[in-house]
Amino acid sequence: DTEVTQTPKHLVMGMTNKKSLKCEQHMGHRAMYWYKQKAKKPPELMFVYSYEKLSINESVPSRFSPECPNSSLLNLHLHALQPEDSALYLCASSQDPATVYEQYFGPGTRLTVT
Amino acid sequence: AQTVTQSQPEMSVQEAETVTLSCTYDTSESDYYLFWYKQPPSRQMILVIRQEAYKQQNATENRFSVNFQKAAKSFSLKISDSQLGDAAMYFCAYRSQLNTGNQFYFGTGTSLTVIP
Repeated sequence: DTEVTQTPKHLVMGMTNKKSLKCEQHMGHRAMYWYKQKAKKPPELMFVYSYEKLSINESVPSRFSPECPNSSLLNLHLHALQPEDSALYLCASSQDPATVYEQYFGPGTRLTVT
Repeated sequence: AQTVTQSQPEMSVQEAETVTLSCTYDTSESDYYLFWYKQPPSRQMILVIRQEAYKQQNATENRFSVNFQKAAKSFSLKISDSQLGDAAMYFCAYRSQLNTGNQFYFGTGTSLTVIP
């Protein structure tokens, strides 16, 4: 099973709402990533978790809060977002943070902030 | 930080023909990995091919092959016998061999259209 799943597929939220994005993988991967992607642009790295610990935060605003409850799950908590945060949010995982392996991507969550 | 450049924002190819997508990168490292990812309109990114910098032999995966020129820091993707399903955004990506945080550096992408 080489699948990364993400829920929900689509999310519309107001600027005062609190919502969460969920990512799950059962490949035993120990590195997980959150990316933000605007239309026809490359993914922009937001966060990296290695062995369930946050290893990289690419200066992401605090209205985005990641969480890694266990080695299979990755959440992204959203609060007080701005319209410019509307984008496709991609989750990815890779086998071992200490070794170079390709990343496997989920299908993404299309987020619209109104 | 490493930079990855894809100079062709859009490309088109006739079905069954061959097309080459360009990618160049800038690095001072000697060991690294390069990838081509495909993102069809359904949006899921899929790995197409991977190349280790220490390997002189160019990677090949069925109809997909790369031309890796380490000295020139060039990593182009050749798609042979193009099919309609090859239409997608293609991203070139760089990953250091060093454990510098597991970061992948992506190029800006090339949108490939396949003409029936």
